[in-house]
Parts: sequence; C-alpha cells; structure tokens
Amino acid sequence: DTAVSQTPKYLVTQMGNDKSIKCEQNLGHDTMYWYKQDSKKFLKIMFSYNNKELIINETVPNRFSPKSPDKAHLNLHINSLELGDSAVYFCASSQVQGSPLHFGNGTRLTVT
Amino acid sequence: EDQVTQSPEALRLQEGESSSLNCSYTVSGLRGLFWYRQDPGKGPEFLFTLYSAGEEKEKERLKATLTKKESFLHITAPKPEDSATYLCAVQVPTNDMRFGAGTRLTVKP
Repeated sequence: DTAVSQTPKYLVTQMGNDKSIKCEQNLGHDTMYWYKQDSKKFLKIMFSYNNKELIINETVPNRFSPKSPDKAHLNLHINSLELGDSAVYFCASSQVQGSPLHFGNGTRLTVT
Repeated sequence: EDQVTQSPEALRLQEGESSSLNCSYTVSGLRGLFWYRQDPGKGPEFLFTLYSAGEEKEKERLKATLTKKESFLHITAPKPEDSATYLCAVQVPTNDMRFGAGTRLTVKP
C-alpha cells in the first residue's frame, strides 16, 4: 500500500547518457513534484504538476523534463547526464498545492 | 530573498535529555511552516504544519511552536528511535516550499 513509489532506487550511469526515473502515487492527490537533494542535504524543488499542467519550474536545465501521462504519475527524464547531476531525487505529492508533502523514498543517481 | 536556516546542524543527546531544534526564516507572506522527519535512505515524513504565530502542535514527544521569525521543535525525554534528520520548510506566497538544511539528531541510549 505504498503511497508514493519511485523507481529505480539506485541509478548509476555514465556522462552523456539519457535516463528516466518513474514516480507513481496512489493517494488521489492533485499535485506531484520532483525535488533534488544535494550532498549538503538541501531539498530543492525542480518541478510540480497540477492536473497535468506545469505550475512551478525553478532554474532547472532544460536537459531535465517532467512527463505526466496521468494524474497519478510524474516521470523525470534527464538527457545528456553530467557529473553535477549526481544527487538523490525525490518524488512527492500533495492533496492540493501548499498542503503537506508525501515523499517517495528517493532515487540515488550517480553519474560517472 | 526567502531563506530558511536550521540550527544546530547536528545534535547529540542522551536518552531522556530534552532539547530544542530551531528553524529561523525570512519570508514575505508566510503561508505555513512545516516540520518533517527524514530517516537515512528514506523520504521526508510529514510531522506538523503551523500557520500563525503562537500556534503549537504536539505529537508524542515532539512539540512544535511558531513565532513571527522562527519555529522550535521541542523534544521531551527523547528515545533512540527519535534519531533522524528533522527538516523545516516554509510555504511562500507562490505555494512553493523552501526547505532548510535540517538538523541531524542522534539520541544515545
């Protein structure tokens, strides 16, 4: 009965590759998010989707693109991976924008 | 610029030794302040939301309070299972959440 699930948990890849991380929520929430947690543990928002519309897009390189096939899914595609992309990426959802976030357990991305 | 600062970065307590974690913020138009707990290898787990100065929320050994400039998370008689990183986040007028870097709490038996 996992509420927010993301796959894979670990992702090791080489520079220049393209990869995707999948996220699904079964809470019936309206808004989903992608956060990046760097080595200093800061959580920084990358994207949020509300009813399949992008509503927040911080200064994220356009190599990163969110894709939402439906309200329960928000996948993250990353093109031409760089060393600096290594981090833990968290998917989250909330009932409405601004309500408490429910997080997945993260995907640790390592770019070599 | 909206900022969230948590202190201390790390805190080591003996079991039963009460203490407080601090979250100070500079936000124009605070919509809410959130506390989360994060265990190693896991995503943050929601604890509390506070909306106005003077508000308090409690859950087991944890109590969160809010003033116009900061929030405290008080831990009374902590147990080893309270060891985790505690994150503070503020909701800004755009409804975005700005997170602090967290306080890593270790409770020794």
